[in-house]
Amino acid sequence: DSGVTQTPKHLITATGQRVTLRCSPRSGDLSVYWYQQSLDQGLQFLIQYYNGEERAKGNILERFSAQQFPDLHSELNLSSLELGDSALYFCASSASDYSGNTIYFGEGSWLTVV
Amino acid sequence: AQSVTQLGSHVSVSEGALVLLRCNYSSSVPPYLFWYVQYPNQGLQLLLKYTSAATLVKGINGFEAEFKKSETSFHLTKPSAHMSDAAEYFCAVRHTGANSKLTFGKGITLSVRP
Repeated sequence: DSGVTQTPKHLITATGQRVTLRCSPRSGDLSVYWYQQSLDQGLQFLIQYYNGEERAKGNILERFSAQQFPDLHSELNLSSLELGDSALYFCASSASDYSGNTIYFGEGSWLTVV
Repeated sequence: AQSVTQLGSHVSVSEGALVLLRCNYSSSVPPYLFWYVQYPNQGLQLLLKYTSAATLVKGINGFEAEFKKSETSFHLTKPSAHMSDAAEYFCAVRHTGANSKLTFGKGITLSVRP
């Protein structure tokens, strides 16, 4: 158990819909990361937050947005969903923004868009 | 830009045989390097990391990796494979500056034959 909690574990929704994925980082961790894992694209970095502020952005679509709240939990919002958004979405956390810190991953949220 | 190359997508070894999973990185400056393992239907777990201390890094479950700057490599080895080692293995690279993203290779699936 990494200590990173993600909900829901599985989600099936229709095209055009909007979903919210939730993440609770490890206790005390200030940085939260979101990754997307798909068969064709592999593991892709989406976005990083540090203590409530956006710190780094990767290949995140404009239809997607995220935030980190004062209690440090984070949400990833996916809207106008398309079939190609079906993937495993990981949340991860680390103690700080130091690049040598270990990044701990949750078990992921499986999103299926039908 | 930083990147990681993991040659091949699948490696099969016999139980008790040497495991060697290759990883080469591309980075303008010496980076931090990580190996993660993903068991079926689970999240990513850190096996080991190199953060510019000892070049030979020992990790969990008997795995180790050696950072070779001249070869830009960080290959993962284990002297004797066990059936429980069957999983997908990801090499990842991260610049040493703050807020740099963790970039993953495509992953290698390790199968262990009895």
